[in-house]
Amino acid sequence: AAGVIQSPRHLIKEKRETATLKCYPIPRHDTVYWYQQGPGQDPQFLISFYEKMQSDKGSIPDRFSAQQFSDYHSELNMSSLELGDSALYFCASSPGSDPSSGNEQFFGPGTRLTVL
Amino acid sequence: RKEVEQDPGPFNVPEGATVAFNCTYSNSASQSFFWYRQDCRKEPKLLMSVYSSGNEDGRFTAQLNRASQYISLLIRDSKLSDSATYLCVVTYTGKLIFGQGTTLQVKP
Repeated sequence: AAGVIQSPRHLIKEKRETATLKCYPIPRHDTVYWYQQGPGQDPQFLISFYEKMQSDKGSIPDRFSAQQFSDYHSELNMSSLELGDSALYFCASSPGSDPSSGNEQFFGPGTRLTVL
Repeated sequence: RKEVEQDPGPFNVPEGATVAFNCTYSNSASQSFFWYRQDCRKEPKLLMSVYSSGNEDGRFTAQLNRASQYISLLIRDSKLSDSATYLCVVTYTGKLIFGQGTTLQVKP
């Protein structure tokens, strides 16, 4: 079965650079979530989209922005990167028609971002 | 205080043992409840949803007590392949809120 696809899988950037992470949800899943998992920590919710509109926002820095496109893929843009942004970034998708309903979410393999 | 609390372990058990994990959550408005499994440096994978009536999937049994805001996971006949971190997860307004995870190590 098709799963969530994320690219790139690994990314190395310098401080103050910009990074773009991509997520392709499971076909027919219209809700996308982004999570950040720092070393030794649990995943933290960043932001979510439903039908190309932002549906919820968590602890996402102002330096980060995201959007969902007409084909439902999503991109997380990160600017002015800091050392503390080094983490695993997961995208998850859900088939729920109502993103607030708490449907099951299926995770992609993640992008490991290292900021030097 | 975290919204979802778990005993981080580690739990070290022999193959064939029965092990139980517990979890409490603070937001009574939480909507849905799950157990996810995460292997080292990989994505969380959905293990099972958790319902008030209790549910079982093979060797795994999950239980939810809404009144006590308490969730449990029981693993019977542990296998070496069960070694992983088990994440207790609740949803609120759709987003997942994770516990810090409980590490299980099953030894031969």
